[in-house]
Amino acid sequence: DTTVKQNPRYKLARVGKPVNLICSQTMNHDTMYWYQKKPNQAPKLLLFYYDKILNREADTFEKFQSSRPNNSFCSLYIGSAGLEYSAMYLCASSRDPGREQYFGPGTRLTVL
Amino acid sequence: GDSVTQKQGQVTLSEDDFLFINCTYSTTTYPTLFWYVQYPGQGPQLLLKVTTANNKGISRGFEATYDKGTTSFHLQKASVQESDSAVYFCALVGYYNQGKLIFGQGTKLSIKP
Repeated sequence: DTTVKQNPRYKLARVGKPVNLICSQTMNHDTMYWYQKKPNQAPKLLLFYYDKILNREADTFEKFQSSRPNNSFCSLYIGSAGLEYSAMYLCASSRDPGREQYFGPGTRLTVL
Repeated sequence: GDSVTQKQGQVTLSEDDFLFINCTYSTTTYPTLFWYVQYPGQGPQLLLKVTTANNKGISRGFEATYDKGTTSFHLQKASVQESDSAVYFCALVGYYNQGKLIFGQGTKLSIKP
């Protein structure tokens, strides 16, 4: 089973409010990733966990936070949503960095 | 840094037509190259993986090839079906970039019945 689950599938948020997105996988993968995808653009890596070590991309460092309480779960947290955060957020996992990544169905976030 | 360019934003074909999607890349390391397919309402699914060792991958009637000389990789299918309608992404992972997938912008394939 290569299933990655994401909750919720759709999220409506108000400007300035926090947003918390959840991802889970049962493949015992060491690495979990979060991507942001906007229409007609390539998915953009935001951050990833390798085991318990969080790596955040330099240009999104201050905008997103994440936690990984155990191997199966990973969250993406936005402290104060802005209109520019409206996008599809994709979670993925892989056995280790460099291996194939398996994606969840995504959470569509709309900020109003 | 590593980059991938996928210029064909949209391709419209009829059933049984030949499909060819091209990506070019730039990397200073030995890349692993991927093709992902995304159907409506779903996340990207791995379609094919090509390494510098094998140069070619085949799955579900699709074939991916890699040309180191032109730093390009292609996805092709001899005869597309309506069920192939989806968005196709090329992506690469460089040998030293911690597994970060660098995606192309995607090609939306529409098949006319």
